[in-house]
Amino acid sequence: GAVVSQHPSRVICKSGTSVKIECRSLDFQATTMFWYRQFPKKSLMLMATSNEGSKATYEQGVEKDKFLINHASLTLSTLTVTSAHPEDSSFYICSARDQTEKAFFGQGTRLTVV
Amino acid sequence: GENVEQHPSTLSVQEGDSAVIKCTYSDSASNYFPWYKQELGKRPQLIIDIRSNVGEKKDQRIAVTLNKTAKHFSLHITETQPEDSAVYFCAPCGPLTSGTYKYIFGTGTRLKVLA
Repeated sequence: GAVVSQHPSRVICKSGTSVKIECRSLDFQATTMFWYRQFPKKSLMLMATSNEGSKATYEQGVEKDKFLINHASLTLSTLTVTSAHPEDSSFYICSARDQTEKAFFGQGTRLTVV
Repeated sequence: GENVEQHPSTLSVQEGDSAVIKCTYSDSASNYFPWYKQELGKRPQLIIDIRSNVGEKKDQRIAVTLNKTAKHFSLHITETQPEDSAVYFCAPCGPLTSGTYKYIFGTGTRLKVLA
């Protein structure tokens, strides 16, 4: 399958700071990327859908000013958690959709806000 | 919005037995139906998928069946092995009016294969 790389895999930041997470499709062009949040032993909750060159579409209840998404190229999308607080601590994971409709996932980022 | 449920939420089977997980969705526009396997701390891995014009697809010990009329599809694993133990998610996908797509994950099923 196609390869999606996400960085960093783990990050610890202080409360009030911002954190940027990158998601790259390495061997295919992804017109659409998705950002999910996963709580322990829970399902993946879709946060937003990111299309190259346009504004992201956020799911209901997800603050767009809190979770800034940029999809500047066909191979890169970024999620910035702004003014992070301990309740933002979670596992964030991206996926990229290829031309055959299959979606492949990055390895995820475990964010801890202290 | 799309409502996606899986049953059962947990499933324990003896090694060698079969396991079946059912996914029920609400959006009739869904036309692509994948199953993902997620091991603890790892990324979800696509294990099998089916499109709306097909009723069944098989890949070695894994199969998926689709009933589009009833809006459900199922994952079948035969001759289960301990390494099949993981959490399995369905993620039906359909086009949005904007032309984009959205994959909504099911509630998940924790499969435990007992040796």
